[in-house]
Amino acid sequence: QVQLKESGPGLVQPSETLSLTCTVSGFSLTSYGVNWVRQPPGKGLEWMGTIWNDGSTDYNSALKSRLSISRDTSKSQVFLKMNSLQTEDTAIYLCARDVWGVMDAWGQGASVTVSS
Amino acid sequence: DIQMTQTPSSMPASLGERVTISCRASQGISNYLNWYQQKPDGTIKPLIYYTSNLQSGVPSRFSGSGSGTDYSLTISSLEPEDFAMYYCQQYDSSPPTFGAGTKLELK
Repeated sequence: QVQLKESGPGLVQPSETLSLTCTVSGFSLTSYGVNWVRQPPGKGLEWMGTIWNDGSTDYNSALKSRLSISRDTSKSQVFLKMNSLQTEDTAIYLCARDVWGVMDAWGQGASVTVSS
Repeated sequence: DIQMTQTPSSMPASLGERVTISCRASQGISNYLNWYQQKPDGTIKPLIYYTSNLQSGVPSRFSGSGSGTDYSLTISSLEPEDFAMYYCQQYDSSPPTFGAGTKLELK
């Protein structure tokens, strides 16, 4: 079945770079896009960006200068890198498969705390 | 960016009750509106896509409707597993944006 799983460091120092991996199974990255979405503690969902099945990307303009999404199709992995982290970037980071604008399968999320 | 205003932010309700959650877009979104459920453990599940289409496996007590800027999610008879957070999301234009969420609580 379709599965997504996020992994990465739980703690990042302020001003450092966050690196997260979304490992997928049950579908091919060359057939579906993958979104990154984040959720600060006690708050709602914010779309960060998407890597499409053709490898092209779209980013939230508020994060675009700091964000990069890439993939390794042979390993069924999607990567998120975001630099210059601040405390307000503390959140649960989730990846979700995209089917024509619907996020139809989600990972459990990776908790990231930005703190010294 | 299209702003999504979701109401109410919380809703106490009883088992078996019929409830409706509303979502208003800051501009017309041509029915490109999805609903998601988030359980207390953080698990997110899609419920409805394109305003009124049920995702596979979602019980028929869930339904969606709306047009233009105004949309709603209705649960016809609340079951214990329905007490959770609900989010609307528009995908008419980029960036896709979510409502702030509605917490459905047991009265």
